Formats: sequence, C-alpha cells, structure tokens
Amino acid sequence: DTEVTQTPKHLVMGMTNKKSLKCEQHMGHRAMYWYKQKAKKPPELMFVYSYEKLSINESVPSRFSPECPNSSLLNLHLHALQPEDSALYLCASARLAGVSEQYFGPGTRLTVT
Amino acid sequence: AQSVTQLDSHVSVSEGTPVLLRCNYSSSYSPSLFWYVQHPNKGLQLLLKYTSAATLVKGINGFEAEFKKSETSFHLTKPSAHMSDAAEYFCVVSLTSGTYKYIFGTGTRLKVLA
Repeated sequence: DTEVTQTPKHLVMGMTNKKSLKCEQHMGHRAMYWYKQKAKKPPELMFVYSYEKLSINESVPSRFSPECPNSSLLNLHLHALQPEDSALYLCASARLAGVSEQYFGPGTRLTVT
Repeated sequence: AQSVTQLDSHVSVSEGTPVLLRCNYSSSYSPSLFWYVQHPNKGLQLLLKYTSAATLVKGINGFEAEFKKSETSFHLTKPSAHMSDAAEYFCVVSLTSGTYKYIFGTGTRLKVLA
C-alpha cells in the first residue's frame, strides 16, 4: 500500500485564523515533505523531515509552522496567512530522504480570504 | 547544477494514437529520474522511475521511458492514448548524491482528443 492521506481536502480560512493541515502515512517511511503548488506550476518544496527531525526549511515564512509528532504523522500549522498563500498543499513521504522515490498525498486545497 | 527541461508545455493526441512527452535533464552526477502524473485537483502519482538499472523502464498504465545518457533524455511514451491519460505530467530528477530535493520540470499538459 503506497497511500499518503491528507486532511482536510478543502480549507477556507481568514487572515486572522489559525488552522492545521494533517498528513499521515503507514508505510514505515522515515522522510516526509510539505510542498506548495500554485495553479499550472510544479510543486515547490517547503519542508523536509528526516527521522522526525526538520532537515530542510526552504526559507518559508514563519506563518507556516511544521510539526512531526511521530514517524507516521506530519502537520502544517497555519497562522495569519495572506491571500497569496492560497494553493494546493501536498504532503509526500519516502522510505529515506534523498535516495527513495516520493509518494504524494491528494493534497489540501487552501483558500485564504 | 542539475535541471530538468520538459520540451513541450502542451501535447494533443487522438485517442488510440501514440504518446510522446519529452524530457531532458542536466546533472553532474548519475541521476535518478521519475515521471509523475497529476490529474486535476489531485496529488501526484508515480508513473515510473529510473535508478541506474535497465535503461528502458516500464511503468503503470502502459507507460514506459528510455534513459539515454548520450542525449541526456528521459522521454515518456505510450503506444496508445486513452481518454483517462489526459492530465499534467512532470519529469523529475533527484541526485543520488544525497540531496533531499526533487528538481521538477515545468510540466506537460496532455490532451486526448476523442
């Protein structure tokens, strides 16, 4: 089974709200990723976790806060977002960072009003 | 530096005819190469991967790709297009030297005409 699940599927939030995106995998993968994808563009890497430790932060604004509570779960906490943050947020996992193919979840469609 | 170029932003084919999506890469090291497909408002699905074993790679749904080092190409093909193949396709390179990053091509939108 190569399934990565993400919740919620859709999220609408105001600029003063706090919300969280959730990602889960049960494949025993030790690398997990957050990507942001704007319309008609490829995904852009935001964060990489390897063995539950943050390995890469691609200079993402602090209004995005990742968390990896355990090897199966990845969260993205959102606070004081801007309308330009509206996008599809994709989670991915890989057996090991850098050497294994990534498996993507279906994404969360985020709209910031 | 490594990079990926998808030579066509849009490709249209008739149902039942062959599909060719072109990808060229640039890499100083021996790369791992992937093709992903993304249907509208969906996540990316891995079609196939090349990791220095056989140069002709077979993937899911009848797709295959051939790694040609001399041409630095990794083109995706399918003998007969189906309506369900209409989607966005991304060619991706990942170095085997340990970097954590995928380098994405800009994508090719495949349209299948009835």
